[in-house]
Amino acid sequence: GAVVSQHPSWVICKSGTSVKIECRSLDFQATTMFWYRQFPKQSLMLMATSNEGSKATYEQGVEKDKFLINHASLTLSTLTVTSAHPEDSSFYICSARELAGGTYEQYFGPGTRLTVT
Amino acid sequence: GQNIDQPTEMTATEGAIVQINCTYQTSGFNGLFWYQQHAGEAPTFLSYNVLDGLEEKGRFSSFLSRSKGYSYLLLKELQMKDSASYLCAVRTPGNTGKLIFGQGTTLQVKP
Repeated sequence: GAVVSQHPSWVICKSGTSVKIECRSLDFQATTMFWYRQFPKQSLMLMATSNEGSKATYEQGVEKDKFLINHASLTLSTLTVTSAHPEDSSFYICSARELAGGTYEQYFGPGTRLTVT
Repeated sequence: GQNIDQPTEMTATEGAIVQINCTYQTSGFNGLFWYQQHAGEAPTFLSYNVLDGLEEKGRFSSFLSRSKGYSYLLLKELQMKDSASYLCAVRTPGNTGKLIFGQGTTLQVKP
């Protein structure tokens, strides 16, 4: 089946530093990847939609200069949290939509837990 | 705007049946998904409805009424491992087809 990986699975960083999270589709090509953020006991909030080879589309209220998204290939998208602050501590989840899929299913990665101290 | 409503919490007994409702008002519709999410883990796909009616998959069934903007997830023969959050998500039209999630329903199964 379709597998999406994320790296790292968890990260602790100091306030003011930047953190990069990778999202990979392991056995399929994904023209579209999505980045979500989930705070404790809340649902997934879509941050941005990433299309291979083009600029990401950010949801309202998400700072594009703070959350840098790059989708350089059909199997890799990265999210960089720049100048992280404690309020950025969250569970970041990516998902990928298969290039030739017919069920419109999104496959989710295992998530990355970010803690900013 | 986009609005997807689910009950926040539900409790049920092991072996019983539970129905989790979801109502939605979205600018466009291209399918409704149900996901299960255990604490600290990513969501896992349960079901997908794009046409009206009932989809059955083992102990899980999902129903959709597009005219009413309503769906439910039915879990039969509840097991303790079914304790989790259940997320309803609507897919928007277009090539991108992003998912808009409801706030999730935390289900606690008691012995």
